[in-house]
Amino acid sequence: ELKVEQNPLFLSMQEGKNYTIYCNYSTTSDRLYWYRQDPGKSLESLFVLLSNGAVKQEGRLMASLDTKARLSTLHITAAVHDLSATYFCAVGSNNAGNMLTFGGGTRLMVKP
Amino acid sequence: NAGVTQTPKFQVLKTGQSMTLQCAQDMNHNSMYWYRQDPGMGLRLIYYSASEGTTDKGEVPNGYNVSRLNKREFSLRLESAAPSQTSVYFCASTGGGGYTFGSGTRLTVV
Repeated sequence: ELKVEQNPLFLSMQEGKNYTIYCNYSTTSDRLYWYRQDPGKSLESLFVLLSNGAVKQEGRLMASLDTKARLSTLHITAAVHDLSATYFCAVGSNNAGNMLTFGGGTRLMVKP
Repeated sequence: NAGVTQTPKFQVLKTGQSMTLQCAQDMNHNSMYWYRQDPGMGLRLIYYSASEGTTDKGEVPNGYNVSRLNKREFSLRLESAAPSQTSVYFCASTGGGGYTFGSGTRLTVV
């Protein structure tokens, strides 16, 4: 059974600082997704990582995937208040169902 | 707009009542999913349909049934609602690439 763990679960940081969110998963997969969720809203797709060593960047966010270590990271550079949200990683299964298994989420608060 | 449409957006049920949550996608995706999200938690898979005509249980299927009516529509039914089913329900679909999520149904069972 695939397990996905994120840490930290909660992150409070000052504007301008850097930080990394970690996503570990328990079984082999080469599909890793990052989503953002604002309070009361649906999930917004941030990154899709489909191979070992994949790195993608959008603005102040950069995601990477190490399939051998079963680890993905979401790095935040020079955080701004608008990045305050909950971030989820999700791992794709390798079976016919193509379902996603989600981590518990990281609630990020960026303070001025 | 292309995407995943869920109805209703909000619902309050009394314990023991039944209801069906509707989901439709217009992207010609093969696979569709129902997730629930409890406060402060990630999404958990209830049921999924890998393709039209098939459905399978996910992580938390108890108390739910589903119907893949056609390629576009995938409904979730609560036969006898319980307070433990108070949650936000998300439908999603994929054609093999990214996943598209609906806006969610906020369900309260009293």
